[in-house]
Amino acid sequence: KQEVTQIPAALSVPEGENLVLNCSFTDSAIYNLQWFRQDPGKGLTSLLLIQSSQREQTSGRLNASLDKSSGRSTLYIAASQPGDSATYLCGPRSYGQNFVFGPGTRLSVLP
Amino acid sequence: DGGITQSPKYLFRKEGQNVTLSCEQNLNHDAMYWYRQDPGQGLRLIYYSQIVNDFQKGDIAEGYSVSREKKESFPLTVTSAQKNPTAFYLCASSIGYGDTEAFFGQGTRLTVV
Repeated sequence: KQEVTQIPAALSVPEGENLVLNCSFTDSAIYNLQWFRQDPGKGLTSLLLIQSSQREQTSGRLNASLDKSSGRSTLYIAASQPGDSATYLCGPRSYGQNFVFGPGTRLSVLP
Repeated sequence: DGGITQSPKYLFRKEGQNVTLSCEQNLNHDAMYWYRQDPGQGLRLIYYSQIVNDFQKGDIAEGYSVSREKKESFPLTVTSAQKNPTAFYLCASSIGYGDTEAFFGQGTRLTVV
């Protein structure tokens, strides 16, 4: 069964810093991996979807990379802003299994 | 606008009552899912449905029931058998059950009073 960990669990940085959020998963046989953002008391918003054949995906200031063989994905956030404060979750989708999600990284960007 | 609508946003349940959480989607997605989120525990799968008139238990189905009579609707009933129902409940959908993207509703917070 797929197990997902995210490091760090929480992160507090000043505005303008470039950030790295890490996601590790145990089963490398995945269809794809999604990164989500969750604001307090809200649902999950999909940020990026990386297919298993891709190495990275970009959207604005966000860039996600995928190293399937080593079971890792990284979300880079460039020039962080206070509006980026939220919890970020990753979700690898394994063949024949349901979506599984990491516990998330809680990000706080200070003005 | 296409999306997933969960209602109500907040729900209060008395001990021994059954309550039903609504999830409706207008994305024409075949697959739908219910998750429970507790502080510090991440999302856990309750039930999922790959197609209308079919559903399967997830990891924590005890004390819950679902139906999938229409493609766009996947209601979740929290029964009195669920010992600790206070949590944040999230509904999701995807085009199919496979290598497709998941979309989420805004959640329902259920509190036992």
